Amino acid sequence: EVVLTQSPGTLSLSPGESVTLSCRASESISRSYLAWYQQKPGQAPSLLIYAASSRATGIPDRFSGSGSGTDFTLTISRLEPEDFALYYCQQSNRSPLTFGGGTKVEI
Amino acid sequence: QVTLKESGPALVKPTQTLTLTCSLSGFSFSTTGMRVSWIRQPPRKALEWLARIDWDDDKFYNPFLKTRLTISKDTSKNQVVLTMTNMDPADTATYYCARLVTDNYYFDYWGQGTLVTVSS
Repeated sequence: EVVLTQSPGTLSLSPGESVTLSCRASESISRSYLAWYQQKPGQAPSLLIYAASSRATGIPDRFSGSGSGTDFTLTISRLEPEDFALYYCQQSNRSPLTFGGGTKVEI
Repeated sequence: QVTLKESGPALVKPTQTLTLTCSLSGFSFSTTGMRVSWIRQPPRKALEWLARIDWDDDKFYNPFLKTRLTISKDTSKNQVVLTMTNMDPADTATYYCARLVTDNYYFDYWGQGTLVTVSS
């Protein structure tokens, strides 16, 4: 299976700062099949980015995704209080579909 | 408005079989291209994909759990059902169902999740 390694595990930041989260795949995957989700405590994950760089409906432009091959990133510019959450990447290039271990962005 | 809602027992005993139901609304699962997956998340751990069923009854399973899982659909009720046999305390998790978008295979809608605890 494709292993997705997210780093770092936890980031401690302040509102207004910018952050880049990393998602590294154990093998090359198509950009078309890389997505990012946000999860807040007690809630289901919600879609942020699909196809590596396309924002989901209603997602503000301070969220951006990039990358190719084995290295993908999610950048959050100017952190808002509601952005402090867990973030997961997910690949569907090769079955089984897999998720990364997550990065927690905390205050 | 698209919604998914999981239902099932909150507590099961070790070795028992778990049956979870995902009720879909706002879309018909019989529509071409519809795909629904089950995903679970143990407390304070990452997400794990379990299984997927498509509108045409194609089924796919996580190979590590394949022998224990069965996914099915009831088109008349617009529901997807997951059974997992031989439950173990390590299966304690929140179980989610989610709709998978065909073009790029990402999850656009998720249920709220249901917490299943495995304990005697």
